[in-house]
Amino acid sequence: EAEVAQSPRYKITEKSQAVAFWCDPISGHATLYWYRQILGQGPELLVQFQDESVVDDSQLPKDRFSAERLKGVDSTLKIQPAELGDSAMYLCASSLGLRENTEAFFGQGTRLTVV
Amino acid sequence: GENVEQHPSTLSVQEGDSAVIKCTYSDSASNYFPWYKQELGKGPQLIIDIRSNVGEKKDQRIAVTLNKTAKHFSLHITETQPEDSAVYFCAEKGALRSGGSNYKLTFGKGTLLTVNP
Repeated sequence: EAEVAQSPRYKITEKSQAVAFWCDPISGHATLYWYRQILGQGPELLVQFQDESVVDDSQLPKDRFSAERLKGVDSTLKIQPAELGDSAMYLCASSLGLRENTEAFFGQGTRLTVV
Repeated sequence: GENVEQHPSTLSVQEGDSAVIKCTYSDSASNYFPWYKQELGKGPQLIIDIRSNVGEKKDQRIAVTLNKTAKHFSLHITETQPEDSAVYFCAEKGALRSGGSNYKLTFGKGTLLTVNP
């Protein structure tokens, strides 16, 4: 069964260091999402891609976060410098397209701990 | 902006009983409402969804109902089993911008369901 792949599963980093997460969506899925999930809350959208283009990054803290999807397939989310408040689960999801009723499928996530 | 409220935040039932989780949304233009199950340390898994052209959908022990007029939708789990224990999230897919053709998912805060053997 096709699935969204994310790595690493866990990451511990010191504050002020740089950290990067990788996501490989389900083959053929044009839309890719990065979500952040703080413990005990629902996922919140950070950035949304359609192919290689950013569709929405209004909730992405652009002073420290960046995201790219250069060839319209896999994607990288970077934080530099990391802060203690960035500790969370970072989830990647993909869907066939941006249409209203297309299902989104999530990866297992990357659990980030900033110390 | 879009907003999804989910209740209750925690729910404890005995094995075999039914569980109901309710959500309300604010974007009257939304037409797609998925439900996700998230087990500890894992990503959310889509378990069922409903589109606005139907009022109810059922898949074995799981059913969803949608009332577009009242802007609320519910998840019903019958004959609950211990493996149903997890956090459940409702979501709605609304337009990124008013009148636009791009959409994003907005999630509720989740319900921790515990099924006691």
